[in-house]
Amino acid sequence: GAGVSQSPSNKVTEKGKDVELRCDPISGHTALYWYRQSLGQGLEFLIYFQGNSAPDKSGLPSDRFSAERTGGSVSTLTIQRTQQEDSAVYLCASSSGSPAQYFGPGTRLLVL
Amino acid sequence: QKEVEQDPGPLSVPEGAIVSLNCTYSNSAFQYFMWYRQYSRKGPELLMYTYSSGNKEDGRFTAQVDKSSKYISLFIRDSQPSDSATYLCAMSDYNDMRFGAGTRLTVKP
Repeated sequence: GAGVSQSPSNKVTEKGKDVELRCDPISGHTALYWYRQSLGQGLEFLIYFQGNSAPDKSGLPSDRFSAERTGGSVSTLTIQRTQQEDSAVYLCASSSGSPAQYFGPGTRLLVL
Repeated sequence: QKEVEQDPGPLSVPEGAIVSLNCTYSNSAFQYFMWYRQYSRKGPELLMYTYSSGNKEDGRFTAQVDKSSKYISLFIRDSQPSDSATYLCAMSDYNDMRFGAGTRLTVKP
């Protein structure tokens, strides 16, 4: 079956521009997670959705970061006024009634 | 002290060796334990998922959890060059998931 998909796979942008990253979870998975992974670093939790609501936004690093989920399915992570330190791989994961999370391939963001 | 400690390696072994990867943790509330494999420029892939203490075997992979010592291990038997990847441990109390930093493994032919 189809796994978690993310788009774009790569994104190069200029400092100060806004970017939108998309995640399409596994069908039927109610929980959706966003993480950030910097080169050689572990996974940094950003935000968690249960259905369309986000009970845990504690990981968002600044108010430039926001995320939404519509229809209990697709989620978009938006980074406004991008900075060079935002360069990283942004990973999305989904799960359904289990702590095990299933990850997408990630979006590689490079801010010049 | 981090909640989850994992030696980042790198770890290099010859083909056919037994590999042992380990994590320690501090939160005794963790009940669910996972190992993920992440190939270069790919997302993490769930390898093993166990609940509470004990062993779980899947082919060449064995996951071991010792809750009394707060220590988990992943053993890879007859390691292959295709096992070369970064291995991340993860653990959860159902509500919160915590990941190790990952151990980079290279299996040399």
